[in-house]
Amino acid sequence: EAGVAQSPRYKIIEKRQSVAFWCNPISGHATLYWYQQILGQGPKLLIQFQNNGVVDDSQLPKDRFSAERLKGVDSTLKIQPAKLEDSAVYLCASSRTVGDEQFFGPGTRLTVL
Amino acid sequence: AQKVTQAQTEISVVEKEDVTLDCVYETRDTTYYLFWYKQPPSGELVFLIRRNSFDEQNEISGRYSWNFQKSTSSFNFTITASQVVDSAVYFCALSGDSNYQLIWGAGTKLIIKP
Repeated sequence: EAGVAQSPRYKIIEKRQSVAFWCNPISGHATLYWYQQILGQGPKLLIQFQNNGVVDDSQLPKDRFSAERLKGVDSTLKIQPAKLEDSAVYLCASSRTVGDEQFFGPGTRLTVL
Repeated sequence: AQKVTQAQTEISVVEKEDVTLDCVYETRDTTYYLFWYKQPPSGELVFLIRRNSFDEQNEISGRYSWNFQKSTSSFNFTITASQVVDSAVYFCALSGDSNYQLIWGAGTKLIIKP
């Protein structure tokens, strides 16, 4: 069974530029999560989807971050415009349903200069 | 409120030693789940175990074992005969039936020296 796929693995941008990350969850997993992990800290949930609906986006900085999961499978996370403090690893995870164990992708390491 | 505390920021042991990583949690939910994840230097979070609040049996998987004690709100993780490949950051996490969001501990960095 294929794991969670993410791309790109690394991204370097200047502040105020835009960036997008892509995630393909494990086949059949209804729940998809985007996390932000700053070095030395645990993951912070940004947004959670159940199929193509948003379950929780309370910690998503909506003035600059957006995410979608249009067909209930793939998802994209966008930052526009990026700030220096957005430098982090962005992790995508999926689970069969809400509450089940989450499986993580390799992450995208974002550096904002 | 839900909370997970991993008091050990960093542990360093010599290979083949046994090591225990502590995890203490707080929740008011009757039904909840406890997790351990491993994050090696490569960065990917690897799922290790999920345990529900009604199952206090200890779990053993190879060199890994977990001790769940509701009386002390702890879910400790022991690695027996540690190996260099066990070097990683280990996270304990909690989710409850009130909202199922994973609450993460701060992580314990485990260094296994050859």
